[in-house]
Amino acid sequence: GAVVSQHPSWVICKSGTSVKIECRSLDFQATTMFWYRQFPKQSLMLMATSNEGSKATYEQGVEKDKFLINHASLTLSTLTVTSAHPEDSSFYICSARDSSLDTGELFFGEGSRLTVL
Amino acid sequence: GQNIDQPTEMTATEGAIVQINCTYQTSGFNGLFWYQQHAGEAPTFLSYNVLDGLEEKGRFSSFLSRSKGYSYLLLKELQMKDSASYLCAVMDSNYQLIWGAGTKLIIKP
Repeated sequence: GAVVSQHPSWVICKSGTSVKIECRSLDFQATTMFWYRQFPKQSLMLMATSNEGSKATYEQGVEKDKFLINHASLTLSTLTVTSAHPEDSSFYICSARDSSLDTGELFFGEGSRLTVL
Repeated sequence: GQNIDQPTEMTATEGAIVQINCTYQTSGFNGLFWYQQHAGEAPTFLSYNVLDGLEEKGRFSSFLSRSKGYSYLLLKELQMKDSASYLCAVMDSNYQLIWGAGTKLIIKP
């Protein structure tokens, strides 16, 4: 099946620094990618929808200036957590939809666990 | 509002069968997904139903009734590695995924 690669898997950073997470579709093109956040013992929460070549669409309550999303190509979307704080510590997951399929199936990355000290 | 309901936790015995139910109320419907998630890992896709009926995939089967807003995931011949959370998600008319909170399945020997 289709593969989505997410990097890094783990990241620890100091409060106030910025962290970039990459999401790549390895063997398919994805015009749309999704970014989720999951806090412990909670369900996945959609943060934003990333569209290739245009601005991301953010869900209510998600600060677009804090969580910068760039979808510069059909195979790569990046999420940058700017000026990270301990409350941003979470599991961040991306998913992508294969543009050539009409099933609507989403393929997920492995996830990135961010710990802000 | 949009709502997905599934049990919080279920317990079953190795080798047995378990059914995890999911009911939904969403604005529009473009399919229902079941995902498996082991602790600390990203969810993995199990099934996708957009038409009524049963879809079978090995030990896992998924059923959908759109008129009742109801789905279930059936797991047969349970193995210890099936211990995980099972997430039900519905794609609404805007192609947004609405997620349930997940059902934690505990398998006992």
